[in-house]
Amino acid sequence: NAGVTQTPKFRVLKTGQSMTLLCAQDMNHEYMYWYRQDPGMGLRLIHYSVGEGTTAKGEVPDGYNVSRLKKQNFLLGLESAAPSQTSVYFCASSKTGTAGNTIYFGEGSWLTVV
Amino acid sequence: AQTVTQSQPEMSVQEAETVTLSCTYDTSESDYYLFWYKQPPSRQMILVIRQEAYKQQNATENRFSVNFQKAAKSFSLKISDSQLGDAAMYFCAYRSAEHSWGKLQFGAGTQVVVTP
Repeated sequence: NAGVTQTPKFRVLKTGQSMTLLCAQDMNHEYMYWYRQDPGMGLRLIHYSVGEGTTAKGEVPDGYNVSRLKKQNFLLGLESAAPSQTSVYFCASSKTGTAGNTIYFGEGSWLTVV
Repeated sequence: AQTVTQSQPEMSVQEAETVTLSCTYDTSESDYYLFWYKQPPSRQMILVIRQEAYKQQNATENRFSVNFQKAAKSFSLKISDSQLGDAAMYFCAYRSAEHSWGKLQFGAGTQVVVTP
């Protein structure tokens, strides 16, 4: 029962470094999402994908890039990390984009940029 | 754009008692879904309950029930017979059903503290 798996779970970066967060889902879902969660706020959508090879910007896309080369994987990249990107990152997936579809979340990745 | 407001940063409840979390939202749409998610200390986001706007009957899942007032744009969550395991952050969320894809819009969350 893997569901949505994120790696790594924890990472400390120096300002200006780059890194990639990997999300993998084993439910054959078409839609995948990357969110960030900051203190006192709900989750905010960074980027999303409606299928293999497609990506789109969400609410807070600046400073991030994504790729969906395989249906089961959705990568989130930080090209030049900034302290403002210190956050908890959640990957999620859903079978379709239909509003009533359950969105399944990963366990989160804690990223600190110093 | 839709907004979701949770006006209670924290709510405290004794074990076995009932607590109600409030959520209001702003939308001009008529077709949408509302959700309550639970986030325990593990940070895992867990779907508690969902409500379709076109359904008048309030959704219920075991000890969790909602009071959905469409005209008032209100969507409160009632936790009955509270248990220590209910302690968590609870998020209200909105999702449009009027487009092929709708973003899940979250409120800021309400921290529920359960005391023995």
